[in-house]
Parts: sequence; structure tokens; C-alpha cells
Amino acid sequence: KQEVTQIPAALSVPEGENLVLNCSFTDSAIYNLQWFRQDPGKGLTSLLLIQSSQREQTSGRLNASLDKSSGRSTLYIAASQPGDSATYLCAVDDYKLSFGAGTTVTVRA
Amino acid sequence: GAVVSQHPSRVICKSGTSVKIECRSLDFQATTMFWYRQFPKQSLMLMATSNEGSKATYEQGVEKDKFLINHASLTLSTLTVTSAHPEDSSFYICSARQWGATEAFFGQGTRLTVV
Repeated sequence: KQEVTQIPAALSVPEGENLVLNCSFTDSAIYNLQWFRQDPGKGLTSLLLIQSSQREQTSGRLNASLDKSSGRSTLYIAASQPGDSATYLCAVDDYKLSFGAGTTVTVRA
Repeated sequence: GAVVSQHPSRVICKSGTSVKIECRSLDFQATTMFWYRQFPKQSLMLMATSNEGSKATYEQGVEKDKFLINHASLTLSTLTVTSAHPEDSSFYICSARQWGATEAFFGQGTRLTVV
């Protein structure tokens, strides 16, 4: 069974600082890995999807890397803003998605 | 991206009643649907996987008689919470996937409150 771990569980940074969120998984036989954002009481917003054959994906200030062999992915958010405050979920896709517990980010103005 | 519509977004029901949640794929054929549950401050846990026209496969610890899943067409799946109790209060979210597709798409979620 796929186990997904996210570290740290929570993060508080001043505005402008770069964020580094980590995700690890136990089974490398995956189709892709996806990062989501979830605001309190809301659904999921897909941020980035990295296919198993890719090493990284970028969208604006967001960059996600994938190292399948070591079972790791990292989400980088550059120049954080208060609007980036949310919970970030990593999901590993081996046809059904397995989610990590999330990293709750607070960006202080 | 493809669109998955989930309704209702919020529902409040009395203890002992049943509640049905719908999940529709609007612009693709969802050969597989997934249902997740999220308790407050916890992550999403897969409840069951259903393939169109087949019985759902439930994850360990999920009561199949309590959480009835129907996936009778390629665009619609329903989750019925039967004889709901306050401990069933949670955020339920569906995901739909077309066979061979690289990505699954999520509905907006349903906040269920049982009083």
C-alpha cells in the first residue's frame, strides 16, 4: 500500500521568503504525482502535475520536482505572499490517488 | 481541464436519514470514479473505487452497507450515506478518471453535517 508523507506539517514564514515543501512516497511505480492547494473549508485546487517520466514542472512562482527512484517530490514557492497561506497536499497517482497529510502554510505580512 | 460537478456542496440532515451525493463528469467518460472522505484537519482518505457498470471496491474499514456507491453510467456516480449519524459528518469529494488518462479530476466536494 502506498504511503505518502509530507514534511513539515506546518510552516510559518514572513512574506517574501521562499517556501520548500517536501513529499515522500514508498512505492515508485506511479503514473504521476500531483500537488494541490486546499483553503479552509474548500475543495482542491490542482497546482502542478508531474508525470512519471518528468523530473519537474513549473507554473509561475511554483516549481515541483520529482525523483521517482528515491520516492521524493519537492514543491518550491518563490517569493511567498500572504495569499499563499493554505494547506498544500501531495498526491501520488498509481491509478488511485494517495494523499499526504498536508503542509499548512502561513505567510505573515 | 475536464470538469467534474459534485452536488450538493453542502447538506445538513437529521440523524437516521439518508443522503445522496452526485458526481458527474461533464465533458468526458468517467470509466472510474473514486470517493474520498476528509475529517477536519486530516487528509483525504480513499473510501471506494467504482468502475462503470461494476460493484464498487471499498477500502478496508469502510462499511459498504452504509456508504452505497452506484456508478451506472459513464458520467454519473452517486454516494448514498444511509442512516447517517453525527460521526459521518465530514467532507466528501469525488474524483473521475477516463481509462488511460494521465490525470483524474476532482469535484468541488460536499460538506455533510448530521445533526
